[in-house]
Amino acid sequence: AQSVAQPEDQVKVAEGNPLTVKCTYSVSGNPYLFWYVQYPNRGLQFLLKYITGDNLVKGSYGFEAEFNKSQTSFHLKKPSALVSDSALYFCAVREDDYKLSFGAGTTVTVRA
Amino acid sequence: DVKVTQSSRYLVKRTGEKVFLECVQDMDHENMFWYRQDPGLGLRLIYFSYDVKMKEKGDIPEGYSVSREKKERFSLILESASTNQTSMYLCASSYTAGQGGYGYTFGSGTRLTVV
Repeated sequence: AQSVAQPEDQVKVAEGNPLTVKCTYSVSGNPYLFWYVQYPNRGLQFLLKYITGDNLVKGSYGFEAEFNKSQTSFHLKKPSALVSDSALYFCAVREDDYKLSFGAGTTVTVRA
Repeated sequence: DVKVTQSSRYLVKRTGEKVFLECVQDMDHENMFWYRQDPGLGLRLIYFSYDVKMKEKGDIPEGYSVSREKKERFSLILESASTNQTSMYLCASSYTAGQGGYGYTFGSGTRLTVV
């Protein structure tokens, strides 16, 4: 079965510092990986995806993610975090033709 | 822009009531999903549908049913609401992933409180 794991429940950084949110995956075959962000009392918003090609994927709001096949990881990164990046972040992997499998989520807090 | 619209942002219902949560998408997506989200438990799939009148159980279907009479609309029904169904409910839609490239588009969520 395809699955992802987010090893950190919470990540806290100071504004202006780099932000990394970790995700590891377990799949048979080629992984199709996604990152979503959720602001309080809202639905999830798509940030970026990896299907094939370059290992560094650029997405919305200045976020990027690095696909690492040897480490089975797909970490989300932002070079300089903003207070407005404080939110809940979900990693996901395509499970079959229909469904995604989501990680448990990582709460990011960026302090001013 | 793809839009997934959930009919209510906040709902308060009484125990034992029959509750309908409605979701409409405007991008001709084949697949639609209902999740519930609870603190510490992440997203849990209740039901999904890959075509009109078709439905599949997800991980936690007990106490819920669904209806998909039209391609754009997917309804979640709580047959007899209970307090343990107090939660955030998220609807999503997507294309069938022939080449794996499609993610979900989510609605804004419905926060349901059962009293």
